[in-house]
Amino acid sequence: GAGVSQSPRYKVAKRGQDVALRCDPISGHVSLFWYQQALGQGPEFLTYFQNEAQLDKSGLPSDRFFAERPEGSVSTLKIQRTQQEDSAVYLCASSPRAGGYQETQYFGPGTRLLVL
Amino acid sequence: AQSVTQLDSHVSVSEGTPVLLRCNYSSSYSPSLFWYVQHPNKGLQLLLKYTSAATLVKGINGFEAEFKKSETSFHLTKPSAHMSDAAEYFCVALSGNTPLVFGKGTRLSVIA
Repeated sequence: GAGVSQSPRYKVAKRGQDVALRCDPISGHVSLFWYQQALGQGPEFLTYFQNEAQLDKSGLPSDRFFAERPEGSVSTLKIQRTQQEDSAVYLCASSPRAGGYQETQYFGPGTRLLVL
Repeated sequence: AQSVTQLDSHVSVSEGTPVLLRCNYSSSYSPSLFWYVQHPNKGLQLLLKYTSAATLVKGINGFEAEFKKSETSFHLTKPSAHMSDAAEYFCVALSGNTPLVFGKGTRLSVIA
């Protein structure tokens, strides 16, 4: 079956531009996670949704970062006024149950964002 | 706070020889531990996980890892490397109801 998909796969933005990154989780998955992976680093947690509720946004690095999942399926990560330090791969993961971080997460291929 | 240290940023082995990727964790209490693999342009894939049952955990593609509490280690091994094993490997810790914590990754190269 289809896995987690993310779009676009690559995004080049000029500094100061707003960007929106989309995640389509596996159908029926309750939980959805966003991570940021800087070059040469491991992924770092950004935020967690259970259905449409954002239960944890402690990892969002600044108020320029905003995530939503209005209907409990597709999620969008928005970055306003992008900065060069926002350049990274943004990973989305989903899991089938509402068990939080304990559940096995299934990852998408990521969106590579380059801010010039 | 928990942390994960992957001791090697890059490991290179010849095809058919053993693989050892090292990971140490730091946590206030015993975490759940995972190894994920990341192939280029593909999503992270779970190789195996330890959740306080058997200390020797077998995963997919012939990989296994042993949890050693006395050494706070969770090293990943495979008896014989295959070309298709070349990828980035991440050791991950989960402690309580907090987000996953990833190590910085180890890039495995397999030489023919």
